[in-house]
Amino acid sequence: GDSVTQMEGPVTLSEEACLTINCTYTATGYPSLFWYVQYPGEGLQLLLKATKADDKGSNKGFEATYRKETTSFHLEKGSVQVSDSAVYFCALSLPALIQGAQKLVFGQGTRLTINP
Amino acid sequence: DTGVSQDPRHKITKRGQNVTFRCDPISEHNRLYWYRQTLGQGPEFLTYFQNEAQLEKSRLLSDRFSAERPKGSFSTLEIQRTEQGDSAMYLCASSLALYRAYGYTFGSGTRLTVV
Repeated sequence: GDSVTQMEGPVTLSEEACLTINCTYTATGYPSLFWYVQYPGEGLQLLLKATKADDKGSNKGFEATYRKETTSFHLEKGSVQVSDSAVYFCALSLPALIQGAQKLVFGQGTRLTINP
Repeated sequence: DTGVSQDPRHKITKRGQNVTFRCDPISEHNRLYWYRQTLGQGPEFLTYFQNEAQLEKSRLLSDRFSAERPKGSFSTLEIQRTEQGDSAMYLCASSLALYRAYGYTFGSGTRLTVV
């Protein structure tokens, strides 16, 4: 079945360090790929997305490139801040029929802590 | 209307009791989803509505679970005869009907603790 595998956490970095969170996927079709972020006590927020191969999603200094050949969508940021501390989820969604559910399949999440 | 609202935020209940959660989606969104998130895991799909029609249910949704979306507006998720394994965060999300997923808007969730 369709699945997403994320780099295991927790990840602890110092402020201004470089970040990479690995994400690979298995899908029977041609998925759209997403990164969601969950801050403490809050729901999931869409961070960035990519809908076709070689697309690069970007937002708030984060980037991820849809790599079909390696079935990957790694999240990167050049210089992290304390405010980036959160849990990050990689997810995929497959095209649905007209009335079908566009279900998201999530990875297990990676907890990121940034120390000042 | 600034987002998806869920009520209550937290619920503690005794095993065997019934609980009901409410979700108010973004008003123009015709699709509504329920997900369950257990500790240390990503959310898992439970069920989906397009307008008032419940079009898909996961195998995770046992007979003790029922969801409704009367008039295609707010939705409720009821769990009957709760079990300790039902303890989780229940997330609601809404979206517009698009042929490719552009991501949902999630609510803050209802955290259920069954004691």
